[in-house]
Amino acid sequence: KQEVTQIPAALSVPEGENLVLNCSFTDSAIYNLQWFRQDPGKGLTSLLLIQSSQREQTSGRLNASLDKSSGRSTLYIAASQPGDSATYLCAATGANSKLTFGKGITLSVRP
Amino acid sequence: SAVISQKPSRDICQRGTSLTIQCQVDSQVTMMFWYRQQPGQSLTLIATANQGSEATYESGFVIDKFPISRPNLTFSTLTVSNMSPEDSSIYLCSVAKEVSYEQYFGPGTRLTVT
Repeated sequence: KQEVTQIPAALSVPEGENLVLNCSFTDSAIYNLQWFRQDPGKGLTSLLLIQSSQREQTSGRLNASLDKSSGRSTLYIAASQPGDSATYLCAATGANSKLTFGKGITLSVRP
Repeated sequence: SAVISQKPSRDICQRGTSLTIQCQVDSQVTMMFWYRQQPGQSLTLIATANQGSEATYESGFVIDKFPISRPNLTFSTLTVSNMSPEDSSIYLCSVAKEVSYEQYFGPGTRLTVT
């Protein structure tokens, strides 16, 4: 059974800092890995999708990497802004598109 | 991408009643799913909504408690039956154009059971 872990559960950084959010998974037989953002009381916004054959994906100030062999993914946020404050969830895609989610990292960017 | 709407956005219901949540997508999709997010927790998959056939439920979820319909490729409903306070959660639908494609989520339905 796939297990996805995100540590730490919460992170507070000053504005402008570059930061890395970590995600680990136990079963390397994944189809892809997605990173989502969730604002309080809202649904999920897809940020980046990395296919199992890829090593990384970039979108603006976000860069996600995937190392299937070690069961790890990272989300790099450059030059963080207060508007980046949210909960970031990673999810591993298994058979039949089923997502297994981590518990998320709640990020607070201080002005 | 896909634009997904859910109705209602929130509701407060009495114990023992049922609520049906609707999920509408702006384009045809192969995969539709229902998730539950309990307070302070991450998302848990309830079931895969299959078009024209019975949904596929995950361990711990049963059809009598969470009946699901999917009459076509753009619409699905989830009913939470005989509700108890433990059912208070956010319920989200998600879609993917094809198997293993990127998933998109609806805005969620916040359910409170009193």
